[in-house]
Amino acid sequence: EAGVAQSPRYKIIEKRQSVAFWCNPISGHATLYWYQQILGQGPKLLIQFQNNGVVDDSQLPKDRFSAERLKGVDSTLKIQPAKLEDSAVYLCASSLTGWAEAFFGQGTRLTVV
Amino acid sequence: AQRVTQPEKLLSVFKGAPVELKCNYSYSGSPELFWYVQYSRQRLQLLLRHISRESIKGFTADLNKGETSFHLKKPFAQEEDSAMYYCALATRGGNMLTFGGGTRLMVKP
Repeated sequence: EAGVAQSPRYKIIEKRQSVAFWCNPISGHATLYWYQQILGQGPKLLIQFQNNGVVDDSQLPKDRFSAERLKGVDSTLKIQPAKLEDSAVYLCASSLTGWAEAFFGQGTRLTVV
Repeated sequence: AQRVTQPEKLLSVFKGAPVELKCNYSYSGSPELFWYVQYSRQRLQLLLRHISRESIKGFTADLNKGETSFHLKKPFAQEEDSAMYYCALATRGGNMLTFGGGTRLMVKP
């Protein structure tokens, strides 16, 4: 089966600019996650969707981050405006349900300069 | 709120030696626990989960609710086991898959 697809793979922006990441989960997977992984740390959950509804976004910095999942399939994560501390790898994952194995994309490496 | 702690950032062992990667968690309910692994230049992937109680690539992990631990063990490490290992917890209902900080395992020849 095709895996979780993310784009772009790499992005370099200046602080205060905006950026958007895209994720296409595995077909049929109801649960979609966005994680932020700062160098040397474990993945930190930003937001979890179940179909097109938000299950948890308690760790999403809502003043600058937003996410949506269109029609319960693809998802976009946006940062506006970016800060230096947003430099990280942004991982998207999907699973059949919240209990099941999560499949990860290759991630988008964001560098804010 | 739930929390996953992996106390060792780096664990270095020789080939053939036993390995134990520690994981402690805090959660008031009944958790689902997982070990994920990331090999060099590969995606993060599931290694095993406690509910399946199976051994994958020689690794096992036992959930100890009394000690709130889910340590990963292998009796004889192989060089190909070198990778980043992450312990993760999902809450009842399958929400909020939370990861620990990770342990880098290096198996020396």
